[in-house]
Amino acid sequence: DSGVTQTPKHLITATGQRVTLRCSPRSGDLSVYWYQQSLDQGLQFLIQYYNGEERAKGNILERFSAQQFPDLHSELNLSSLELGDSALYFCASSVGGTPKSYEQYFGPGTRLTVT
Amino acid sequence: AQTVTQSQPEMSVQEAETVTLSCTYDTSESDYYLFWYKQPPSRQMILVIRQEAYKQQNATENRFSVNFQKAAKSFSLKISDSQLGDAAMYFCAYRSNSNYQLIWGAGTKLIIKP
Repeated sequence: DSGVTQTPKHLITATGQRVTLRCSPRSGDLSVYWYQQSLDQGLQFLIQYYNGEERAKGNILERFSAQQFPDLHSELNLSSLELGDSALYFCASSVGGTPKSYEQYFGPGTRLTVT
Repeated sequence: AQTVTQSQPEMSVQEAETVTLSCTYDTSESDYYLFWYKQPPSRQMILVIRQEAYKQQNATENRFSVNFQKAAKSFSLKISDSQLGDAAMYFCAYRSNSNYQLIWGAGTKLIIKP
């Protein structure tokens, strides 16, 4: 158990819908990262937050957005869902906000299926 | 742009034997980290081992060790005394010290034969 929690574990929804994935980092970690793992594109970095502020952006679609709240939990919002958005979405956390800070610890992921 | 390549989609090894998984990467940076993550059927992503590029000594964690060849941009993982619980997808990942994101290889599926 990494200490990072993600809810829900599974999500099934229809095309065009909007969903919210939630992540709680390890106690004491200020950085949260979101990754997408899909069959065709492998693992991709989406976005990073540090202490409530966006720090880095990767291959995140405009239909997707994220935020980190004062209690440090983070939410990833996916809208206008398409079949290709079906994937495993991971949240990871680390202690600090600098690239030299410690390694990232991953949550169990949320499996999103878009039908 | 940095890239990570794992050329072995699948490897198999007899239980108690040793297996080596390959990873190469491409970067123009000199300061970075390399990681091996394990993803068992549960889909949880578990950190196996980490190597800092500035360290010449190869990292070791119990039965897991790496062969880090900085000039060749190679970072292989050796698993000694393979156990059934080692069966998983193994991902090699790169992170520079000027960037936050992990860049991933495609993964190698490791099968352990009893």
